[in-house]
Amino acid sequence: QQQVKQSPQSLIVQKGGISIINCAYENTAFDYFPWYQQFPGKGPALLIAIRPDVSEKKEGRFTISFNKSAKQFSLHIMDSQPGDSATYFCAVNSGGYQKVTFGTGTKLQVIP
Amino acid sequence: DTAVSQTPKYLVTQMGNDKSIKCEQNLGHDTMYWYKQDSKKFLKIMFSYNNKELIINETVPNRFSPKSPDKAHLNLHINSLELGDSAVYFCASSPLTSSEQFFGPGTRLTVL
Repeated sequence: QQQVKQSPQSLIVQKGGISIINCAYENTAFDYFPWYQQFPGKGPALLIAIRPDVSEKKEGRFTISFNKSAKQFSLHIMDSQPGDSATYFCAVNSGGYQKVTFGTGTKLQVIP
Repeated sequence: DTAVSQTPKYLVTQMGNDKSIKCEQNLGHDTMYWYKQDSKKFLKIMFSYNNKELIINETVPNRFSPKSPDKAHLNLHINSLELGDSAVYFCASSPLTSSEQFFGPGTRLTVL
């Protein structure tokens, strides 16, 4: 069963625009919601993460919005740049065994 | 200074062969993982070791056997390779005090 659903599968945004990627989860036991960024030929790297006790977290141009009642969270990239072009994965985990379940990924292309 | 390293980076082999991928982390983390990323970029956990003890073993064929000689190393041995084993395999590690996972650069396995 898919524990986290991610959309869209791909996204093209103009430079300076806002990129929005959404994820929905099912298990209310999850207590950690990270976003990972993966460039071609590289391993994923943590971009930003949120715990369910806050509704929003911002780091520079990257913001996570978290809706606990809807069991959804999203990544917003403000002022998107060509260097942001990468595949983004949302993920969930429940801490215990630190088992992370990844979403299906969103390939973002920021065009000049 | 590489935090999580894997060897080899590329592995091309014939069906039926046995091969190994090595992983080492110098971050002092207690937990290490193996992930498989298929051609659609889907990232799926295979195994997790905590201080040399197997704690996560997802539905993976018995042909895959992880081995952790010490907490800084987690190797993956694959017997009787099949075409469907072609993928990128990522090693990762995380500390007990954090849910962040640190990924290696990946090993691209191609089975002909």
